[in-house]
Amino acid sequence: EPEVTQTPSHQVTQMGQEVILRCVPISNHLYFYWYRQILGQKVEFLVSFYNNEISEKSEIFDDQFSVERPDGSNFTLKIRSTKLEDSAMYFCASSVGGAVNTEAFFGQGTRLTVV
Amino acid sequence: DAKTTQPPSMDCAEGRAANLPCNHSTISGNEYVYWYRQIHSQGPQYIIHGLKNNETNEMASLIITEDRKSSTLILPHATLRDTAVYYCIAATSYDYKLSFGAGTTVTVRA
Repeated sequence: EPEVTQTPSHQVTQMGQEVILRCVPISNHLYFYWYRQILGQKVEFLVSFYNNEISEKSEIFDDQFSVERPDGSNFTLKIRSTKLEDSAMYFCASSVGGAVNTEAFFGQGTRLTVV
Repeated sequence: DAKTTQPPSMDCAEGRAANLPCNHSTISGNEYVYWYRQIHSQGPQYIIHGLKNNETNEMASLIITEDRKSSTLILPHATLRDTAVYYCIAATSYDYKLSFGAGTTVTVRA
């Protein structure tokens, strides 16, 4: 069964450092998303991406965050200068269609720890 | 998006049906009801969604009341692997995001 893969599974970084979280969406999917979940809290939407553009972003997704689809397969989330409060599980998701009406497939997540 | 209300937790016995309620009294006519689950901090997993009619797939059934103010997710034969947090989400067909709440923590006991 096709799946969304995320790397690395765990990333530890120093506060102020840049991190790039990587995702390989399912190959025929056109819409891509990032969500995050701080330990013990809700899953929060960060951004959706289609046709090389951001479709929607949340208040969390400020200038410190950026997304990119550098080639035909990868989808990345960059955090420019990490803060302690960025420590969370980051989930990438993809779907065939753009709206939530189509099933979103989530990856297993990258646990980001900022020290 | 309409707010949904779910009980924080529930237990069910292995092999029995698990009925998970969700209230969405302010749901609008163009909002669907979606169910996802999250097993032990893994990525959320889609279960089912519906608008008005009851829906069934290989994982579960979704029963939506006629007034659409509430719904029930039914896991017909719960297994230990169904232990997870279950999320009921209301969203329109043109929403790009899923708004997860706290969900219901379902524990299936042997």
